[in-house]
Amino acid sequence: AQKVTQTQTSISVMEKTTVTMDCVYETQDSSYFLFWYKQTASGEIVFLIRQDSYKKENATVGHYSLNFQKPKSSIGLIITATQIEDSAVYFCAMREIASSSFSKLVFGQGTSLSVVP
Amino acid sequence: ETAVFQTPNYHVTQVGNEVSFNCKQTLGHDTMYWYKQDSKKLLKIMFSYNNKQLIVNETVPRRFSPQSSDKAHLNLRIKSVEPEDSAVYLCASSWTGGGSAETLYFGSGTRLTVL
Repeated sequence: AQKVTQTQTSISVMEKTTVTMDCVYETQDSSYFLFWYKQTASGEIVFLIRQDSYKKENATVGHYSLNFQKPKSSIGLIITATQIEDSAVYFCAMREIASSSFSKLVFGQGTSLSVVP
Repeated sequence: ETAVFQTPNYHVTQVGNEVSFNCKQTLGHDTMYWYKQDSKKLLKIMFSYNNKQLIVNETVPRRFSPQSSDKAHLNLRIKSVEPEDSAVYLCASSWTGGGSAETLYFGSGTRLTVL
């Protein structure tokens, strides 16, 4: 069964610095998608960035990038030049590809990020 | 820009009552979901519908029943609510065709409080 684990419950960083949030996953499949979502204080959950398991290049979108280490089953989220509005809860998630056309998206426990001035 | 709409935003009710939540998506997606987020922020899938057909039905109490009239609408009914049903219920949608990654787009959630 697939499983996603985020061990960092909360992180606090200074504004304009770089932060890395960890995520490890378990899967029996060789192909899968990995996602990061952000939940703001209002409760809204938005998609940030995705990594396809068959791609070696780390995905990058704006000031978000991923550190994908497939042998370690690890997908870290890196936020550079953090801003106050990056304060939120960040969720890592995984969807297996091969097992089913309608496979489930499984979420990690979330990491709360506080960006302080 | 919001494209997954949920009503109501909040609902307070008493144990034993029936409640219904509505969700509509305007993204043209073919699959819709209900997730439950508990007080610890854990997100768990409850149901998933593809083109009005139930495709994922996790182990949830039988008092929960989803309903889909078309691929743009997905409702959730809870008969006889219990205190442990207090949570945020999040609706989401995705496109599952043609090798899609099936990225989820979420509504703003319905916060249910059971007294």
